Amino acid sequence: DQQVKQNSPSLSVQEGRISILNCDYTNSMFDYFLWYKKYPAEGPTFLISISSIKDKNEDGRFTVFLNKSAKHLSLHIVPSQPGDSAVYFCAADEKLTFGTGTRLTIIP
Amino acid sequence: NAGVTQTPKFQVLKTGQSMTLQCAQDMNHEYMSWYRQDPGMGLRLIHYSVGAGITDQGEVPNGYNVSRSTTEDFPLRLLSAAPSQTSVYFCASSTGTGHGYTFGSGTRLTVV
Repeated sequence: DQQVKQNSPSLSVQEGRISILNCDYTNSMFDYFLWYKKYPAEGPTFLISISSIKDKNEDGRFTVFLNKSAKHLSLHIVPSQPGDSAVYFCAADEKLTFGTGTRLTIIP
Repeated sequence: NAGVTQTPKFQVLKTGQSMTLQCAQDMNHEYMSWYRQDPGMGLRLIHYSVGAGITDQGEVPNGYNVSRSTTEDFPLRLLSAAPSQTSVYFCASSTGTGHGYTFGSGTRLTVV
């Protein structure tokens, strides 16, 4: 039973445009959600988190939105840069339950 | 500051062999975890620890043992390797809930 789902395995975005990565979850008891970025042959790197008591958190080019009623969160990257090309994982901080990831490709 | 160090980076085992994947962190983090990454499956939690002397099972614990005798070290033992354990293994540490985890660079294990 996948408690955290990323339904888009891949996404391509033009450089300079907005990238939106989506994540759905089933357990309303999750307290925190986190986004990680992963390059090949490296470990995931923490990007940004959001508490379940908030609906938005921003850090530079990265903004995470949380819609608790829909059990949905999204990561916005503006503007997208070539170095953003990676696999992005959504995770819930209940034993750090991960989604299956979305491969983001930024087209120059 | 080394962060989270995993050794070895690569390993090939024969079915039935045992081995220990090492993980060490120098950030004095209480939380440590082991994950495996398989194609199309994301990262799945194997075992985790909330402090020295305390461990618990994650989503896929079968075939693996852990112990946490010190804050710094959290080794993962494969008791009798099986081809289904071929995967990339990541160790991670954190100060606690809601804080980002720091991951090691991974161990790529192949069981033949």
